[in-house]
Amino acid sequence: EDQVTQSPEALRLQEGESSSLNCSYTVSGLRGLFWYRQDPGKGPEFLFTLYSAGEEKEKERLKATLTKKESFLHITAPKPEDSATYLCAAHSGGGADGLTFGKGTHLIIQP
Amino acid sequence: NAGVTQTPKFQVLKTGQSMTLQCAQDMNHNSMYWYRQDPGMGLRLIYYSASEGTTDKGEVPNGYNVSRLNKREFSLRLESAAPSQTSVYFCASSAQLAGVYEQYFGPGTRLTVT
Repeated sequence: EDQVTQSPEALRLQEGESSSLNCSYTVSGLRGLFWYRQDPGKGPEFLFTLYSAGEEKEKERLKATLTKKESFLHITAPKPEDSATYLCAAHSGGGADGLTFGKGTHLIIQP
Repeated sequence: NAGVTQTPKFQVLKTGQSMTLQCAQDMNHNSMYWYRQDPGMGLRLIYYSASEGTTDKGEVPNGYNVSRLNKREFSLRLESAAPSQTSVYFCASSAQLAGVYEQYFGPGTRLTVT
């Protein structure tokens, strides 16, 4: 059974304080590892897809990296507007199509 | 481009009532999905459709039916709503272009069953 686990569940940072969110996965035949941002009352907003170990992608203050067992979302010098829930999801080669999601990390950036 | 749209945004049902959640995408994507999101749980796949005319069960299909009406539209039906179906429902669509796979979500339907 495919599993995606995110840590921590919640993270509170000061503005400008860099940190990383973790996503560990166990899937049969990873086809892609996804990161989404979700604001309260909204649908998930696509950020990145990573396909192979060693791959990195960046968008503004966010950088996502991938290893064979984990993915990290690094947030550099965050601002209050980066506050959101960040979701990790795996697309596997086995079973049903669709993504297997973690429970998310609720990130709060305090000014 | 509106992306993925869902109607209604909010709905309250009584136990045993039926309703259909509507979803449409204007990105010409082949695949479409229905997920539910509950507090303390990740998004879970209910049903998906890899192409027009095909549908398949996901992780939590019991109590739901789907229809892929055409390439743009994918509806989710609750025949006899139960309180356990109180949730936020998200529709998504996906495509793979030049080796890049992306999946986009709609704004969600917040359903309460009393």
